[in-house]
Amino acid sequence: ETGVTQTPRHLVMGMTNKKSLKCEQHLGHNAMYWYKQSAKKPLELMFVYNFKEQTENNSVPSRFSPECPNSSHLFLHLHTLQPEDSALYLCASARSSSYNEQFFGPGTRLTVL
Amino acid sequence: GESVGLHLPTLSVQEGDNSIINCAYSNSASDYFIWYKQESGKGPQFIIDIRSNMDKRQGQRVTVLLNKTVKHLSLQIAATQPGDSAVYFCAESGNTGGFKTIFGAGTRLFVKA
Repeated sequence: ETGVTQTPRHLVMGMTNKKSLKCEQHLGHNAMYWYKQSAKKPLELMFVYNFKEQTENNSVPSRFSPECPNSSHLFLHLHTLQPEDSALYLCASARSSSYNEQFFGPGTRLTVL
Repeated sequence: GESVGLHLPTLSVQEGDNSIINCAYSNSASDYFIWYKQESGKGPQFIIDIRSNMDKRQGQRVTVLLNKTVKHLSLQIAATQPGDSAVYFCAESGNTGGFKTIFGAGTRLFVKA
């Protein structure tokens, strides 16, 4: 639909598990973003990649580790998460980080038990 | 500090009526404002944007108004339809070092048939 896909759509994990979220964009964009969306809170920017280089880490705990192997793919590696990390994790892309219009994926609903 | 907020968490309108969703921002240095729509189970979708050197911009059935004097932004939807039911976010962006986009908390629009 938007050209940005995310897998899995739903994930349940324990606090000791290690999992990864995947995002792929088919729009030829050069910037990719991870956001966290919690109930009753604004979208929180986590990471920004521009031309595969990380340009923003918004004070995200080290239990979240991003990886951007190329401009089309973005991963978020998760380990030893806390229950308060349960949220919808949204990926977005843009032509570059200087473009304001972002295209969002459907998100991964993460539940940490 | 910077903040983007919405006046009302929910708005209920009759089908066919016009909807007005409001937003306040605090960073007078922001030079770009965006409205996003998020339907259930989907990521946010770009609706319309406006630069700070404008006070009005129209799209298809939507109009964004910007009042820089009072740092207020609004989204007007004409002839609201059931398909307009969603959460609407305002966001601000600018040259704050990396062109970060800051999102507001969101307003949920209910359209009554």
